[in-house]
Amino acid sequence: AQKITQTQPGMFVQEKEAVTLDCTYDTSDQSYGLFWYKQPSSGEMIFLIYQGSYDEQNATEGRYSLNFQKARKSANLVISASQLGDSAMYFCAMREGRAGGTSYGKLTFGQGTILTVHP
Amino acid sequence: GAGVSQSPSNKVTEKGKDVELRCDPISGHTALYWYRQSLGQGLEFLIYFQGNSAPDKSGLPSDRFSAERTGGSVSTLTIQRTQQEDSAVYLCASSTLAGGDNEQFFGPGTRLTVL
Repeated sequence: AQKITQTQPGMFVQEKEAVTLDCTYDTSDQSYGLFWYKQPSSGEMIFLIYQGSYDEQNATEGRYSLNFQKARKSANLVISASQLGDSAMYFCAMREGRAGGTSYGKLTFGQGTILTVHP
Repeated sequence: GAGVSQSPSNKVTEKGKDVELRCDPISGHTALYWYRQSLGQGLEFLIYFQGNSAPDKSGLPSDRFSAERTGGSVSTLTIQRTQQEDSAVYLCASSTLAGGDNEQFFGPGTRLTVL
């Protein structure tokens, strides 16, 4: 089974509107973390936002917020007031395991969603 | 300060040759990671280091792949007897510590093409 599933290969949004990028995950661990990264056409990976499994509040970073629904195992990224510069590939990733475990540093990535912002 | 750097930025090689890819992490970052991204795909974990030790090398595709890190700094990913399916962008990342909420900072990648 896929550990991270991003069901939207591509999404379109009008400039200044909000958009939600979906991410569901699969883990049996109680402690885990969820990350979102942006990859513009230039190729660099840019960290956007992090949500820990024990965090009670949804994470927010500027125009980015994470809609974390633990029971549904979903961690959707919400981008408010889209800008043309938001056009990029977006990846959801998960870190599993306990501190000190062998796989603690590893991130598992989804297949990504290409977001296109129209003027 | 300087970010993660990788060299070379592009490498074209012939099938069967060995290649070495280098990663220079952010100064002070004790954790270093290698990922591979094939065309239009997500990132595939290869290996990560905490200091000079590799707690998880489960993502290395075959014994043709190896990596080392010396002095808790620079890392080299070596691919022996390259095959065409090794063609991909190899991304290196580093973080202050492995795991937790520590953000991984990525380098620009090395694009490997095996002819």
